[in-house]
Amino acid sequence: DAGVTQSPTHLIKTRGQQVTLRCSPKSGHDTVSWYQQALGQGPQFIFQYYEEEERQRGNFPDRFSGHQFPNYSSELNVNALLLGDSALYLCASSRRTERSTEAFFGQGTRLTVV
Amino acid sequence: SQKIEQNSEALNIQEGKTATLTCNYTNYSPAYLQWYRQDPGRGPVFLLLIRENEKEKRKERLKVTFDTTLKQSLFHITASQPADSATYLCAHFGGSTLGRLYFGRGTQLTVWP
Repeated sequence: DAGVTQSPTHLIKTRGQQVTLRCSPKSGHDTVSWYQQALGQGPQFIFQYYEEEERQRGNFPDRFSGHQFPNYSSELNVNALLLGDSALYLCASSRRTERSTEAFFGQGTRLTVV
Repeated sequence: SQKIEQNSEALNIQEGKTATLTCNYTNYSPAYLQWYRQDPGRGPVFLLLIRENEKEKRKERLKVTFDTTLKQSLFHITASQPADSATYLCAHFGGSTLGRLYFGRGTQLTVWP
């Protein structure tokens, strides 16, 4: 059983460019959340998708957008990249009907903006 | 805002000793607290969840306590090993189950031989 998979693992982009990160949730999971983790900090919640809709959103600008597909996989898009967007982007999946269980994280995508 | 704090950025201990990590929360009383382990460049891995009505929870060499009066959770690793070296994160749901997780900044544990 594959866990949460993210692609790519590493990415280098130039300021002003756009980037798309991808996530496939753990088998049987229907909810995907995205987090941004800056160096030396804990993960910060970006947003969560369930039934192909954004359900919750953290304190991130509209440059951050997402999508969930019918197979529950998800994309995170960031437009007009800034140097400060350099971070580890984490995807976490869970099952909506299971309350208060642990989140399963992918290995992350390391984004570097130059 | 719901704040969760891990005051120690780094903890260095000798192999065989017990590591104790602290997590404090303010402005909110979580029903659950979770602890994760994160290795460099990797995603967090879930270790333990403790509910507010559980004072203590154990899993092999790990022990977590939850003190709702002090608004604090302690995470212990007994008989620590160099392989336990990692960053340990504390998190809670902030009142929204299956919603956003609020994380502390983590404590980097180094166990030296």
